[in-house]
Amino acid sequence: TQLLEQSPQFLSIQEGENLTVYCNSSSVFSSLQWYRQEPGEGPVLLVTVVTGGEVKKLKRLTFQFGDARKDSSLHITAAQPGDTGLYLCAGAGSGGGADGLTFGKGTHLIIQP
Amino acid sequence: DAGITQSPRHKVTETGTPVTLRCHQTENHRYMYWYRQDPGHGLRLIHYSYGVKDTDKGEVSDGYSVSRSKTEDFLLTLESATSSQTSVYFCAISVNRGDTGELFFGEGSRLTVL
Repeated sequence: TQLLEQSPQFLSIQEGENLTVYCNSSSVFSSLQWYRQEPGEGPVLLVTVVTGGEVKKLKRLTFQFGDARKDSSLHITAAQPGDTGLYLCAGAGSGGGADGLTFGKGTHLIIQP
Repeated sequence: DAGITQSPRHKVTETGTPVTLRCHQTENHRYMYWYRQDPGHGLRLIHYSYGVKDTDKGEVSDGYSVSRSKTEDFLLTLESATSSQTSVYFCAISVNRGDTGELFFGEGSRLTVL
């Protein structure tokens, strides 16, 4: 069974600060995705990383896939209240995710104005 | 918008009653999934389907069954609901042909079993 450990579980910071969320595993994933979920809604895909060492940027969000494809990080620069939400990482196994993704338990992020 | 509709969105039922949740998609995608989301556990896969009448179990399949008689509909059934099945259930489709498993989710069905 593949497991993904996310940290921190909860994070509350002030607007304008930077933060990093981590997603770690002892397993290798063929790809890793980050989702964001708001209360009462389903998760929404932010980004997919596939290659070890890959870095992707989405405005103020920077996503990195570890060289060994076992871990990933999400860095937010100058956080804004609109970044508040539940952030989930999810990994696809050797089957490319056809048999479903393994999700981390999520990071609850609150950005205070 | 991947055209996913879940119904019902909210349901309260009693222990021992059968419950069916429906997931409907409008875009003819092959892969469909049912997840449940619980505090402290995150999203866990219940069952998935890779085509009409082709389904397989996920991590937490006990107490659940699924059916897919048409491409567009994936049904999740709790034959005899228990309080431990109180949860938010999400249907998802994969739109990337399974290469990376990217998922698009419905809005969820909140089930309370009393």
